Order: sequence, then structure tokens, then C-alpha cells
Amino acid sequence: AQSVTQLGSHVSVSEGALVLLRCNYSSSVPPYLFWYVQYPNQGLQLLLKYTSAATLVKGINGFEAEFKKSETSFHLTKPSAHMSDAAEYFCAVSETGNQFYFGTGTSLTVIP
Amino acid sequence: DAGVIQSPRHEVTEMGQEVTLRCKPISGHNSLFWYRQTMMRGLELLIYFNNNVPIDDSGMPEDRFSAKMPNASFSTLKIQPSEPRDSAVYFCASTRLAGGRNEQFFGPGTRLTVL
Repeated sequence: AQSVTQLGSHVSVSEGALVLLRCNYSSSVPPYLFWYVQYPNQGLQLLLKYTSAATLVKGINGFEAEFKKSETSFHLTKPSAHMSDAAEYFCAVSETGNQFYFGTGTSLTVIP
Repeated sequence: DAGVIQSPRHEVTEMGQEVTLRCKPISGHNSLFWYRQTMMRGLELLIYFNNNVPIDDSGMPEDRFSAKMPNASFSTLKIQPSEPRDSAVYFCASTRLAGGRNEQFFGPGTRLTVL
């Protein structure tokens, strides 16, 4: 069965600092991986996705993630945090069955 | 494209009342998902449909919850009778079936408060 683990339910960074949000998955086959962002009182929006092409995936708003099969990880990074990045971030995995499995989310706080 | 449309955006009701949440998926999408989000339990999948057919409803918490998808452009989630513990934000999401490769598109959610 698929599962997703997001380490750290809350992450705080200073404005301008590196953002690193961790995601590990379990899957018996190469998965499809996604990062979503949720701003307050809104639905989830896709940041980026990995679908077995390049292992380094670039998304919107300067975010990127690297698929590392050996570590079963798909960590999300951004070189320099902005105040507008404060939100909830969800990692998700899917297989051919079309069902998504979401992590429990990481709340990102950006300190001015 | 208008995106996934949900109505109402906010619903306040009294315990015991029937609540119906509505969703219009993106045109051309053939898979639809209902989620519930609370502070305590996070994001939970309730049920999903492929080509209007319910595939997995194991996440539906009780018989008080039911969902239908009468056609490709409309789905409902009904709670009857509602209870205070049903208070949550309910999201609908849709995607085009492609072996899991395609992302889900989420609606803005319905915030349900049961008094």
C-alpha cells in the first residue's frame, strides 16, 4: 500500500532563508509524486509534479523538488523564502489506480 | 476553464438537519473525489468516482453520509442527519484518468458548521 510521510508538521524560516519541506513515500513501483500548497481558506493548488521524466522538477513560485529513488524521497525546496510562501504544503503520491495518498501536511511560517 | 465549482461555499445548519453539498468537476475530467478536512484529522478521502461509478467509499464515515454522481458534470455529498462532529471543510477534486499521472484539481471547498 502507498503511504506518504511528511516530517515536521510545522516549519519556520526567516524571510530570505532556504525552505526545505520533507516528504518520504513508500511504494512498490515507481510512483507519481506531487506537491500542493493550500493558502488560508482556499483549496489545494498544484505546485509541481514528478511523472518519471527529469528527477529535478521545477514548479511555480520558485519551488522545486528532487525525486530520489534510493532514498524514497521527494523533498520540496526554495532558495529564498518570501512572506507570501506562508501556507500549508501537502505531498501526495499516486499509482496507476488513480487514487491519491496525501501526507498530513506541513505548515510553513515565514518570519520577517 | 472555470475550475471545479462547489456550492454552497458556507453552510450553517442545526444538528439533525439534512445537508447537501454540490460539485461540478472540470469539463472533460472523468474522475471525481470528495475530501474532508479538519484540524484534528487533516485531509481525508471520503469517496471517489471513475466515469460516474463509485470506486472506493471506504472513507465515508457512517451511513449518514452518501454521495452520488448522476452524470459527468455533477456530484452531491449528502449528510442526513447532520451532527456537530461533521463540521469541517469539504473539498471536491477532479482529474482526467491517466493511470495516476494527472494531478487533481481542487475546488474552493464548502465550510460546513453544524450547531
